[in-house]
Amino acid sequence: AQKITQTQPGMFVQEKEAVTLDCTYDTSDQSYGLFWYKQPSSGEMIFLIYQGSYDEQNATEGRYSLNFQKARKSANLVISASQLGDSAMYFCAMREGNAGGTSYGKLTFGQGTILTVHP
Amino acid sequence: KAGVTQTPRYLIKTRGQQVTLSCSPISGHRSVSWYQQTPGQGLQFLFEYFSETQRNKGNFPGRFSGRQFSNSRSEMNVSTLELGDSALYLCASSLAGLQETQYFGPGTRLLVL
Repeated sequence: AQKITQTQPGMFVQEKEAVTLDCTYDTSDQSYGLFWYKQPSSGEMIFLIYQGSYDEQNATEGRYSLNFQKARKSANLVISASQLGDSAMYFCAMREGNAGGTSYGKLTFGQGTILTVHP
Repeated sequence: KAGVTQTPRYLIKTRGQQVTLSCSPISGHRSVSWYQQTPGQGLQFLFEYFSETQRNKGNFPGRFSGRQFSNSRSEMNVSTLELGDSALYLCASSLAGLQETQYFGPGTRLLVL
């Protein structure tokens, strides 16, 4: 089974509108972290936002917010007031915890969603 | 603070050759992870080094290896290159801990002919 599922291969949004990118995850760990990254055509992965499994509040970073629904195992990224520079590939990723901490260095990524912002 | 740096940025090799990629983490970061990105397989975890020890390994053949030095810089080596090794190789560094963010370098684009 896929650990991270991003069901939207591509999304389109008008400039200044909000857009939601979907992400569902699968883990049996109680302690885990969820991350969103942006990858422009240059290839570099840019960190956007983090949500810990024990965080009670949804994470927010500027125009980015994470709609975390733990019972449904979803961690959707909301981008408000889209800008042309937001056009890129977006990845959801999970880091699972374990007692020894040996998996901390491993991120499991979804397949990504290509976001195109229209003027 | 300087970000994660990777060298070289681009590389062209032929089948059967070997290649070494280098990654310098953000100052103070002791964890370095490597990922392979291809259009077909997406982003896949290769391995992680922490304090010069390989702490975790992905599902890749033994041709893929790495090491970390005492200054936390890391190298990744691929021997006997195959066409399918053509990919973007990304390195990421972080502080220790589950909640710590991995920060990525610009990547090395490897083309195997």
